[in-house]
Amino acid sequence: QKEVEQNSGPLSVPEGAIASLNCTYSDRGSQSFFWYRQYSGKSPELIMFIYSNGDKEDGRFTAQLNKASQYVSLLIRDSQPSDSATYLCALMDTGRRALTFGSGTRLQVQP
Amino acid sequence: GAGVSQSPRYKVAKRGQDVALRCDPISGHVSLFWYQQALGQGPEFLTYFQNEAQLDKSGLPSDRFFAERPEGSVSTLKIQRTQQEDSAVYLCASSPTTFRAAGGGANVLTFGAGSRLTVL
Repeated sequence: QKEVEQNSGPLSVPEGAIASLNCTYSDRGSQSFFWYRQYSGKSPELIMFIYSNGDKEDGRFTAQLNKASQYVSLLIRDSQPSDSATYLCALMDTGRRALTFGSGTRLQVQP
Repeated sequence: GAGVSQSPRYKVAKRGQDVALRCDPISGHVSLFWYQQALGQGPEFLTYFQNEAQLDKSGLPSDRFFAERPEGSVSTLKIQRTQQEDSAVYLCASSPTTFRAAGGGANVLTFGAGSRLTVL
């Protein structure tokens, strides 16, 4: 079982600020990483994936990957109250054909 | 269909009852996954199908859990003799391609709304 670690939060940021969500993982062989957003009582929905070291930007979201440090992060610029949700970090599990998820970080954006 | 459909959305079972949860993936999707999500936790992998073949069932917590996808489309997760610790949301997800280690975007999963099981 590969471990994916996330701070459970809640992470509270004011509206318009940058929210920074972090994830560390233990399997150096992992190659692909995913960020999912899950609203309370809803199913996870994909925000973005990344598999190369560095930054990947999509609108207000930027994923950052550092394989040497085994660290993945998600930055949300200009945070909105509608961004309030749990953010799940996931990786391709090289030992089984599935995504392995962290326990998620709850983000609260204060209006 | 347009999305992954799961039924029932809510199921209350008495301890010891058998339950069956259904997943109808996106039409044409090759890969299908079942996950279990306990309250406040991330989804935990249960099993993976590629078409009708169950290629990985290493996440099934006990032999009371059984999954099938006989025609490579609809899948059923069956839990026999339910226990209170089985209470969770059961999520089904599908993907259009076969799952591979370096797939990146090819391994994007689309989740259904889930089936919330409560065992009394």
